[in-house]
Amino acid sequence: DTEVTQTPKHLVMGMTNKKSLKCEQHMGHRAMYWYKQKAKKPPELMFVYSYEKLSINESVPSRFSPECPNSSLLNLHLHALQPEDSALYLCASSQDSGRGRPENEQFFGPGTRLTVL
Amino acid sequence: SQQGEEDPQALSIQEGENATMNCSYKTSINNLQWYRQNSGRGLVHLILIRSNEREKHSGRLRVTLDTSKKSSSLLITASRAADTASYFCATDVVRNSGYALNFGKGTSLLVTP
Repeated sequence: DTEVTQTPKHLVMGMTNKKSLKCEQHMGHRAMYWYKQKAKKPPELMFVYSYEKLSINESVPSRFSPECPNSSLLNLHLHALQPEDSALYLCASSQDSGRGRPENEQFFGPGTRLTVL
Repeated sequence: SQQGEEDPQALSIQEGENATMNCSYKTSINNLQWYRQNSGRGLVHLILIRSNEREKHSGRLRVTLDTSKKSSSLLITASRAADTASYFCATDVVRNSGYALNFGKGTSLLVTP
C-alpha cells in the first residue's frame, strides 16, 4: 500500500467552527507532514512529525493544531479560522533516516480543499 | 522563503516536443527532488538526485544537477498531453530543529495535442 489518504476531500466551514482534517498512511513511514497550498503557489510547509513527535512548526498560527495519535495517523485540528486560510491542505509521509533529514521521496495525499466563509 | 526558483513559470508545447524546466537554489543541498502536480491534486514524486550526482534518468525524464551553479534542470522528452501539470523542484533545507523540503515556485506545463 503506497497510498496516503486524506479526509474529507472538501470542507466548508465558518469562522467559529471547529473541524479536523485527517491523514492516514500504512507504509510504515515515521515522518509525516502538513502543507498548505494556495492557488498557483507551491506547497508551504506547516508541520513535521518525526516518530510521532512534533519536530518542526513553521510558526503556524495556533488556530491550526496538529496531532499525531500514532505512527499511521496525522490530524490537523482547525478552530476560529479566517477566510485567508482557505487553501488546499496536503498531507505527506516519508521514511525517516532517524536524523529527520528528508533523504527520501515524500508521498502526498490528494489534499483537502478547505473553504472558510 | 522559497529556496528553489523554477523557470520558466509557464511553458506551452506540442505533443512530441521536449520540455525543459530549470531550477535554481541558494544554499548547499543534500539532494534535490522534482515533483509533478496535476491541477488541484496531490504531488507525485518524479526523481531525486543527490548532491554528488550530475545526471539521472527515469523513463522519459532526465535530470541534471550542477552544484557549482546551484541549478538543476528537468527534461521531459517526447511529451504527451498527459504530462500537462505543474512541476516543482524541492531542496532539503535545515529548519529550526530539523530538516524539511522547500518547494520552488513551479513551472506550469501545457502540452497540446
